[in-house]
Amino acid sequence: SQTIHQWPATLVQPVGSPLSLECTVEGTSNPNLYWYRQAAGRGLQLLFYSVGIGQISSEVPQNLSASRPQDRQFILSSKKLLLSDSGFYLCAWKQQGSGYTFGSGTRLTVV
Amino acid sequence: QKEVEQDPGPLSVPEGAIVSLNCTYSNSAFQYFMWYRQYSRKGPELLMYTYSSGNKEDGRFTAQVDKSSKYISLFIRDSQPSDSATYLCAMSVGDNFNKFYFGSGTKLNVKP
Repeated sequence: SQTIHQWPATLVQPVGSPLSLECTVEGTSNPNLYWYRQAAGRGLQLLFYSVGIGQISSEVPQNLSASRPQDRQFILSSKKLLLSDSGFYLCAWKQQGSGYTFGSGTRLTVV
Repeated sequence: QKEVEQDPGPLSVPEGAIVSLNCTYSNSAFQYFMWYRQYSRKGPELLMYTYSSGNKEDGRFTAQVDKSSKYISLFIRDSQPSDSATYLCAMSVGDNFNKFYFGSGTKLNVKP
């Protein structure tokens, strides 16, 4: 069965520091991968999605970037964090005809 | 106007009650609909995935889509304290790399 791993679970970072969140998927090949952010009391906001190695589509212009160095690895990064980057970050994979499978999420607090 | 509207609640019901959770939307082209359950500090868990109008049942859960009213519902029968969570709806025009729009979630509390 397919599983999705995401780490770390929580992170507290100072403003201006870099960020790297990692997501890996097991049990499937060439998955469509997604990064979502969930702010308190708000819906999930799609940040990036990837249909293959090195292929990244950005939904929201911002301080973040994504990379897909391997088939089942998806990384969310920032060179300099802002206070507004705080939130709950979720990695997900999806295949056509089914819903998203989300990871357990990373709660990021920028201080 | 938001693409998807969802009452944030909280909705508090006694154990055993039938729960009705709802979302309204503005885009009449939406055809794919999902419901998720999210426990505190956890990732959302898929409950239902439906296409177009009609009903879909899975155990105690029933998803209903009324495209003429642009309204979807999730019914939970015989609610349990373990159903206490935030429920999110999501919808999209297509299912092939299309963007899904999420509601902000309804918080449900089932009291023993």
